[in-house]
Amino acid sequence: GAVVSQHPSWVICKSGTSVKIECRSLDFQATTMFWYRQFPKQSLMLMATSNEGSKATYEQGVEKDKFLINHASLTLSTLTVTSAHPEDSSFYICSARDGRLAGLEQFFGPGTRLTVL
Amino acid sequence: GDSVTQMEGPVTLSEEAFLTINCTYTATGYPSLFWYVQYPGEGLQLLLKATKADDKGSNKGFEATYRKETTSFHLEKGSVQVSDSAVYFCALSASDFGNEKLTFGTGTRLTIIP
Repeated sequence: GAVVSQHPSWVICKSGTSVKIECRSLDFQATTMFWYRQFPKQSLMLMATSNEGSKATYEQGVEKDKFLINHASLTLSTLTVTSAHPEDSSFYICSARDGRLAGLEQFFGPGTRLTVL
Repeated sequence: GDSVTQMEGPVTLSEEAFLTINCTYTATGYPSLFWYVQYPGEGLQLLLKATKADDKGSNKGFEATYRKETTSFHLEKGSVQVSDSAVYFCALSASDFGNEKLTFGTGTRLTIIP
């Protein structure tokens, strides 16, 4: 149980376009989802935390107008990279948890590799 | 702020060898410590955790002990298998179950050869 999927697994886009990445909890209700970014040979950096039905909370230094996060249902959150540029190329990972269940850990998706040309 | 420093890889070992992956941390207060594993093509999975000093987390033959005096949480396994090949991440959190903000190390890629 506790499976999280991401779609797409990889995407290539042109500079200036927008890209949407989906994160789904397949067998539990995700009251909270987290979005991370990972650069090569670097650690996962938390970008934002989103609670279902609320606006996301962004970490310091993350542009909320560039990285739009929507968490409109208990099984789906989306990250939209707007007006993407080559420096946005990275590996994006989501995780999810059901905050109504005491002590439930975060469960991670397999990640989405974004390449901006 | 909080940080995790992890042994750089990649690490290549022969099957049945002893494994140690070093992890040290810097944190305010008393964090919980975690090891996550990522197998090829899959998401990160919690491998083991420890929530207070001197606690030992263990799972699948892996162990790590929360050492407050040395701010360390080194991962060990006595006899590795080919199936242990993966990327291992050390992490800390202010909560017991990592359901709040996690701070990760850079990850260590482990390859076990038969």
